[in-house]
Amino acid sequence: RKEVEQDPGPFNVPEGATVAFNCTYSNSASQSFFWYRQDCRKEPKLLMSVYSSGNEDGRFTAQLNRASQYISLLIRDSKLSDSATYLCVVSRLDSSASKIIFGSGTRLSIRP
Amino acid sequence: GAVVSQHPSRVICKSGTSVKIECRSLDFQATTMFWYRQFPKQSLMLMATSNEGSKATYEQGVEKDKFLINHASLTLSTLTVTSAHPEDSSFYICSARVGPMNTEAFFGQGTRLTVV
Repeated sequence: RKEVEQDPGPFNVPEGATVAFNCTYSNSASQSFFWYRQDCRKEPKLLMSVYSSGNEDGRFTAQLNRASQYISLLIRDSKLSDSATYLCVVSRLDSSASKIIFGSGTRLSIRP
Repeated sequence: GAVVSQHPSRVICKSGTSVKIECRSLDFQATTMFWYRQFPKQSLMLMATSNEGSKATYEQGVEKDKFLINHASLTLSTLTVTSAHPEDSSFYICSARVGPMNTEAFFGQGTRLTVV
């Protein structure tokens, strides 16, 4: 079982739709959580950090449930430019060294 | 934001040769850098954690003698793929964090390695 699991998709939704991604992590020692976005053949870029209280950035809302070890990302009023792969990322310590673990990513395709 | 520069962006080499990939933090010091490999349509897989001034920590299944990592300074880490084979063809990408664990990780542009 992977340490960070995501629905691979692809999600194919019309422009303007609301789409939600889920992610679960298995290591309870995980301390920090992020959503990254990766465009085809490019490096990942931070979309937003995820806080226990939940946080919102424009059309994007992220939530974290530590008890269930579950992270979510909601995109409202989706745009064509939102088409990308969304990566759930977890950071934790491993023998006093920090590690960044990626989920396999969820592909999103927005159609006109 | 912080900048991580990776070079080269693309390399084609013959089977059996070695390839060195450089990762530099341009405007900050990185005591730790991470090296990932990404195969087509798959996620980034952590290969190793590069620590300045000490040995790298490799993930299970990653051959440390094949993927040599050197982190000689606070701004430079290198990954050398030794005796490359076609199955080593992949997208290699480095990452560094400016601060502690809850801060953003910045990524290099990646290196697309093709072994022929």
